[in-house]
Amino acid sequence: DVKVTQSSRYLVKRTGEKVFLECVQDMDHENMFWYRQDPGLGLRLIYFSYDVKMKEKGDIPEGYSVSREKKERFSLILESASTNQTSMYLCASRPVGTGGTDTQYFGPGTRLTVL
Amino acid sequence: GEDVEQSLFLSVREGDSSVINCTYTDSSSTYLYWYKQEPGAGLQLLTYIFSNMDMKQDQRLTVLLNKKDKHLSLRIADTQTGDSAIYFCAERPFSGGYNKLIFGAGTRLAVHP
Repeated sequence: DVKVTQSSRYLVKRTGEKVFLECVQDMDHENMFWYRQDPGLGLRLIYFSYDVKMKEKGDIPEGYSVSREKKERFSLILESASTNQTSMYLCASRPVGTGGTDTQYFGPGTRLTVL
Repeated sequence: GEDVEQSLFLSVREGDSSVINCTYTDSSSTYLYWYKQEPGAGLQLLTYIFSNMDMKQDQRLTVLLNKKDKHLSLRIADTQTGDSAIYFCAERPFSGGYNKLIFGAGTRLAVHP
């Protein structure tokens, strides 16, 4: 079974703190994604990475950065956390090679609260 | 633009059928998906349909696609309490390549006795 793990299920941080959210997948997938999930808005893509050290902005990258130094690990960084970044953060990974039928495999999510 | 819309809530009685509806705007979408999110968990793929199909059946799940109206539905037969979850519709627009999925806001399905 594909496993996508996220470093924390719940996180509470203060405004202005630097926050790292870590995601690890064990299936050698090339593509990895960070989404945020908010009630009534669904999932919105923050960043994705299609290879080590490669990244592309998603729909809402402002206030976030990412790092992919190893294939299995994709980190989301909030340089200076703000209260409007309180949300559920979901990581996903996806293999390449078989077109649109490839599913994305999701981690359990990290619920971040910024006070 | 790209947009996916779903109603936010659905309540059904155990044993009845549930129908969750979704509309999308991008007519170039190649694949459409249904994901399920159980409480406290990430999303898992339930089923998908290619845009040149009208219907797909997989055990208790039936997906109907009306490409003309850009309408997708998920029917769950004999709904059980274990089906209580949030269901997300998603489209893969052709212009986004294989990496882009556009998700709806999710429909929370509540199953009561």
